[in-house]
Amino acid sequence: GQQVMQIPQYQHVQEGEDFTTYCNSSTTLSNIQWYKQRPGGHPVFLIQLVKSGEVKKQKRLTFQFGEAKKNSSLHITATQTTDVGTYFCAGFGAESNYQLIWGAGTKLIIKP
Amino acid sequence: ETGVTQTPRHLVMGMTNKKSLKCEQHLGHNAMYWYKQSAKKPLELMFVYSLEERVENNSVPSRFSPECPNSSHLFLHLHTLQPEDSALYLCASSQDRTGLFTEAFFGQGTRLTVV
Repeated sequence: GQQVMQIPQYQHVQEGEDFTTYCNSSTTLSNIQWYKQRPGGHPVFLIQLVKSGEVKKQKRLTFQFGEAKKNSSLHITATQTTDVGTYFCAGFGAESNYQLIWGAGTKLIIKP
Repeated sequence: ETGVTQTPRHLVMGMTNKKSLKCEQHLGHNAMYWYKQSAKKPLELMFVYSLEERVENNSVPSRFSPECPNSSHLFLHLHTLQPEDSALYLCASSQDRTGLFTEAFFGQGTRLTVV
């Protein structure tokens, strides 16, 4: 079945360093969504990418959707303590019978 | 406040108990979902309802039984659970099940412990 692989599983950074997480789908996606889950919280929608090669920015966050619509990335510039949490990608499309297929998440940890 | 409310927030139950989880959405959405979140695993989609009709059941054991009496309410009835069913159970809703408006709004979850 369709799978979405997300790496890395964890990333430890010093505050102020950059952070990137990557998602790769086994099949072409209609769109990809990104969510953030704070410790002890629930996933919260961040953004949806639909177009091939699309790039969207939200302040220090940059989201990219690959040309083939099979991969995506989230990059955070100059991390802050408020960025701590787990970032999930979720792919959506006909191949998955219109169910969101979730990556396993990347946990962002700020080193003390 | 996401517009999706789940109760209870925490639940401890024995393996012979019967309990129910409740979810209510105030967003006027057409689709509702139950997810299971276990440590170090991707979110597992359990059930999907669209306009009160169940459209997906992802091979979930029969000890989990969903109910959707109307488009705003979703229940998950639990009976004879196993310790490995302990997890965070998340309810979500979206405007539509397909198309562009599939952004999921999650409730705060029910932390379930089976003893």
